[in-house]
Amino acid sequence: DAGITQSPRHKVTETGTPVTLRCHQTENHRYMYWYRQDPGHGLRLIHYSYGVKDTDKGEVSDGYSVSRSKTEDFLLTLESATSSQTSVYFCAISESNRAGTEAFFGQGTRLTVV
Amino acid sequence: SQQGEEDPQALSIQEGENATMNCSYKTSINNLQWYRQNSGRGLVHLILIRSNEREKHSGRLRVTLDTSKKSSSLLITASRAADTASYFCATDGQAGTALIFGKGTTLSVSS
Repeated sequence: DAGITQSPRHKVTETGTPVTLRCHQTENHRYMYWYRQDPGHGLRLIHYSYGVKDTDKGEVSDGYSVSRSKTEDFLLTLESATSSQTSVYFCAISESNRAGTEAFFGQGTRLTVV
Repeated sequence: SQQGEEDPQALSIQEGENATMNCSYKTSINNLQWYRQNSGRGLVHLILIRSNEREKHSGRLRVTLDTSKKSSSLLITASRAADTASYFCATDGQAGTALIFGKGTTLSVSS
């Protein structure tokens, strides 16, 4: 398995509180991604990073921010958690964005906002 | 919006039968990938087909790609109970920077 660790694996938080999820990789891959998975929607891209301090928005970025200060860590922050952000969050990494590069996924973080 | 859409949403078959899942996408692509997700786990890469390829095989998996119809199919032959999972197609996004996933097909194989 690719070396990707997500933490925490499970979290329950209250509406309005900030929450940070962490993705840590040991593969030295340049690209890192955050997706959320919801029933009926599949996986949707939140933000991605193409290098240290280089990030961009995905399809569902509102209410989320990210930071990448080191190659190995990509943080996803919910600035003020809402119930609509209850979801399973997946981090993924890839070596490049060249056509044909596969992505490796973490085990996911189940976040519940009450 | 999502690039790929899988069909059917759910599929139930018996062990030994073949399972076929389809994926349609909207814009031109460089490649299309299929991933599998077991319940409660992350996604695992199965197979990739490039836009200049029409068919690809890997073990019991067969993938076809029709770029004129913007569609792909994944065939799993001689299904086993262990194939029970959700299957997703993914394409490179319009900017070529991140994989865009469909909503997935949930396959249930009963013994």
